[in-house]
Amino acid sequence: GEEVAQTPKHLVRGEGQKAKLYCAPIKGHSYVFWYQQVLKNEFKFLISFQNENVFDETGMPKERFSAKCLPNSPCSLEIQATKLEDSAVYFCASSRYDTSSSGNTIYFGEGSWLTVV
Amino acid sequence: GQQVMQIPQYQHVQEGEDFTTYCNSSTTLSNIQWYKQRPGGHPVFLIQLVKSGEVKKQKRLTFQFGEAKKNSSLHITATQTTDVGTYFCAGPGYSGAGSYQLTFGKGTKLSVIP
Repeated sequence: GEEVAQTPKHLVRGEGQKAKLYCAPIKGHSYVFWYQQVLKNEFKFLISFQNENVFDETGMPKERFSAKCLPNSPCSLEIQATKLEDSAVYFCASSRYDTSSSGNTIYFGEGSWLTVV
Repeated sequence: GQQVMQIPQYQHVQEGEDFTTYCNSSTTLSNIQWYKQRPGGHPVFLIQLVKSGEVKKQKRLTFQFGEAKKNSSLHITATQTTDVGTYFCAGPGYSGAGSYQLTFGKGTKLSVIP
């Protein structure tokens, strides 16, 4: 497809419950990124993939967050035992090339709004 | 790590007035990108600047990349209500894990008073 598709659009979880978000990147894009945007608008990089391989996971809170991009399946971001501070919009993005490549365009999905109560 | 500072944080303008947001990086950037995010929406890519001193125009929007490739600006001439949203600059920053990731500024939220 020509857009990054994210599901669900909205998700409400009780504290301690699991949350799983999905992302289908644009066809032909090799790189997938997950960003977290909290209420103050700040974007926090979480993890990136090059095809199904983890490219950079320096932003991931590894204790509770995990992500996968498997062949022929949507990418996923899973949060075990959610906490109140996990409430945010989670954006998935994809691009054809590595971020540092000049001329590269990164396309964002519409985001998944996670509310932890 | 790399930091991208963006000012102002908020800007309220009367419709028809001009608007400028400024972006400064703590390190030299290979390129800088600008995004617009409408309220409740997702970041939409506007433009990428690559060359030192580059200036690009999109209708009423003018983007500049500094000579040292550490700063950038976005200027909107004669704002319209459709310009409302938050404008983010972003540059590739080395994450320390062998790759570059987009580091976003905190954005400038533009309100346009009709």
